[in-house]
Amino acid sequence: EIVMTQSPATLSVSPGERVTLSCKASQSIGKLAWYQQKPGQAPSLLIYGASTRATGIPARFSGSGSGTEFTLTISSLQSEDFAVYYCQQHNNWPWTFGQGTKVEIK
Amino acid sequence: DVQLLESGGGLVQPGGSLRLSCAGSGFTFSNFPITWVRQAPGKGLEWVSVISGDGHSPYYADSVKGRFTISRDNSKNTVHLQMNSLRAEDSALYYCAKYLQAPVAAFDFWGQGTLVTVSS
Repeated sequence: EIVMTQSPATLSVSPGERVTLSCKASQSIGKLAWYQQKPGQAPSLLIYGASTRATGIPARFSGSGSGTEFTLTISSLQSEDFAVYYCQQHNNWPWTFGQGTKVEIK
Repeated sequence: DVQLLESGGGLVQPGGSLRLSCAGSGFTFSNFPITWVRQAPGKGLEWVSVISGDGHSPYYADSVKGRFTISRDNSKNTVHLQMNSLRAEDSALYYCAKYLQAPVAAFDFWGQGTLVTVSS
């Protein structure tokens, strides 16, 4: 199975800052999704296919990367963006998630 | 609006069984694979199982293979997850979610989850 490793585990940032989250795969993949999960809520899809924003996702969220290294960038963090972010590879069975990065208020 | 609603969770003893259900609405149910993802308290997400739109292709994580069975009834817009031989490590919030589109296995709509607790 493909192991997904996210870093950092926690990121303390101020509103308005640019945020970069990392996700690394144990082998080359072409298909990666990013999800946002707020406390007490189900995850919500942000990005799929590494760089395609899901319907209704603001342009401040962008995904990039290829092979084994991927990045989620939030260009200017808004108050509603404080949450846990997960990457998920949807390239090879079984689908696997990273352990998550918590973005918290500095 | 697309909606997914899970039910069937509860408290069960180790070795016991539960049957979870996921009812979908607001989309052409039979066109989309449905998946189950679980989340232990305070932990991350773990993919569990998926079934194709026509119900002919189920897949399972190794951690549940041989113990869990996924099925669907498209006439009732419902997917079931039969969980047998439950273990403490199966305790989690179980979400069902739909694929963005077959075969793109990104999950664009999720239910709110049903809680399974395995304890004596």
